[in-house]
Amino acid sequence: DTEVTQTPKHLVMGMTNKKSLKCEQHMGHRAMYWYKQKAKKPPELMFVYSYEKLSINESVPSRFSPECPNSSLLNLHLHALQPEDSALYLCASSQDRPGAGANYGYTFGSGTRLTVV
Amino acid sequence: AQKVTQAQTEISVVEKEDVTLDCVYETRDTTYYLFWYKQPPSGELVFLIRRNSFDEQNEISGRYSWNFQKSTSSFNFTITASQVVDSAVYFCALSDYSSASKIIFGSGTRLSIRP
Repeated sequence: DTEVTQTPKHLVMGMTNKKSLKCEQHMGHRAMYWYKQKAKKPPELMFVYSYEKLSINESVPSRFSPECPNSSLLNLHLHALQPEDSALYLCASSQDRPGAGANYGYTFGSGTRLTVV
Repeated sequence: AQKVTQAQTEISVVEKEDVTLDCVYETRDTTYYLFWYKQPPSGELVFLIRRNSFDEQNEISGRYSWNFQKSTSSFNFTITASQVVDSAVYFCALSDYSSASKIIFGSGTRLSIRP
C-alpha cells in the first residue's frame, strides 16, 4: 500500500460548522503533514507530526486544530472557518529516520477541496 | 532562507514538441533534496522525482529527463515528444535533509500541450 488516503474529497461548510478532515496511510511512515493550497498557488505547509507529536506549526490560526491519534491517522479539525479558508487541503507522509536521509518516500494524498460559505 | 523560483508561469506547445521547465533554487544547506511534482486538473500531487544534493547525475525516465547543475543551482525538467496528457501544473520543490521537514514549492509552471 503506497497511498495516502484523504476523506472527504469535497466538503462544503458554513462558518459556524465544525467538521474534520481525515488522512490515513499504511506505509509505516512516522511523519505526517498538512498543507494548504489556494487556487493557482503552490502548497504551503501548515503542520508536521513526527512520531505522533506535533513538531511544526507554521503559525496557523487556532480555528484549525490538528490531531494525530496514531501513527497511521492524521485529522484536521475545523471550527469557525472563514470564506478565505476555502482551499485544497493536502495531507502527506514520509519516512522519518533521523540521520538516515529522511523525507524518504514523501507521498501526498489527493486532497480535500474545502469550500466555506 | 530557502527559495525555489520557476520563472515560467505558463508554457504552451504543440503535441510532440520537446519542452523544458526551468527551476532555480536557493539554500544555505550543503545537503538537501530537490523534487518535481505534477498536479493535473484533478488536483492530486503526483511525485515525479527526488534528487539528493550530492548526486548530480542526470536522470532519464521514459520521455522525462532532469538536469541537475549544482554550480548554477538549477534543476531543470525536460519532456520529450510531449503529449496532451502531460498538460498540468508542474512544481519544483526543495527540502532540507533533516527528518520530518517541510517541502518548499516553487510557484509552478502551467504546461498546456495542444493537439
